[in-house]
Amino acid sequence: DTVLTQSPALAVSPGERVTISCRASESVSTRMHWYQQKPGQQPKLLIYGASNLESGVPARFSGSGSGTDFTLTIDPVEANDTATYFCQQSWNDPHTFGAGTKLELK
Amino acid sequence: QVQLKESGPVLVQASETLSLTCTVSGFSLTNYGVIWVRQPPGKGLEWMGIIWRNGNTDYNSALKSRLSINRDTSKSQVFLKMNSLQTDDTAIYYCTRDGYGYNYWGQGVMVTVSS
Repeated sequence: DTVLTQSPALAVSPGERVTISCRASESVSTRMHWYQQKPGQQPKLLIYGASNLESGVPARFSGSGSGTDFTLTIDPVEANDTATYFCQQSWNDPHTFGAGTKLELK
Repeated sequence: QVQLKESGPVLVQASETLSLTCTVSGFSLTNYGVIWVRQPPGKGLEWMGIIWRNGNTDYNSALKSRLSINRDTSKSQVFLKMNSLQTDDTAIYYCTRDGYGYNYWGQGVMVTVSS
């Protein structure tokens, strides 16, 4: 199975730029997607296909990468971006999720 | 509009079988696949398996021996069955729709496995 490794928890101040990384154990082409999950809520799709912004998601969120290395960028970070962010690949079967990166605001 | 809703027992005894239903509306199961994802308390998301729009299935290799996913297209329902439950199967179970990313999710159902 494709293993997705995410950066550990991050703490940033509002207004700053933050990048969250996700590395795949094998190529996933551009079939990488990013989700935001807040406590008590289901995951919310932010970015699909590595760099495509899901409808209704603020343009502060962006994604990049291909193959095995991907990043989610939030610029600028706002207070309500406090959440856990998961990457997920749909190129190789079975599809898999990363363990999540917890973003905290200082 | 697109909706998914999970239903099933919230408490299951260890060694028993879990049966969950995902009822969908706003789309056809013959046009989209449906995935089951679970999340143990305080932990990350685990991809369990998918039933594709053609009815084929793929499973997480770690769960494959005790998991099955089926559907009834006439009722717009997808079914999850997992046997030999253990306490570490305690989790929120979500169903979600396949696409370019999973952009529609159910609210999830919290299932507790009691020993």
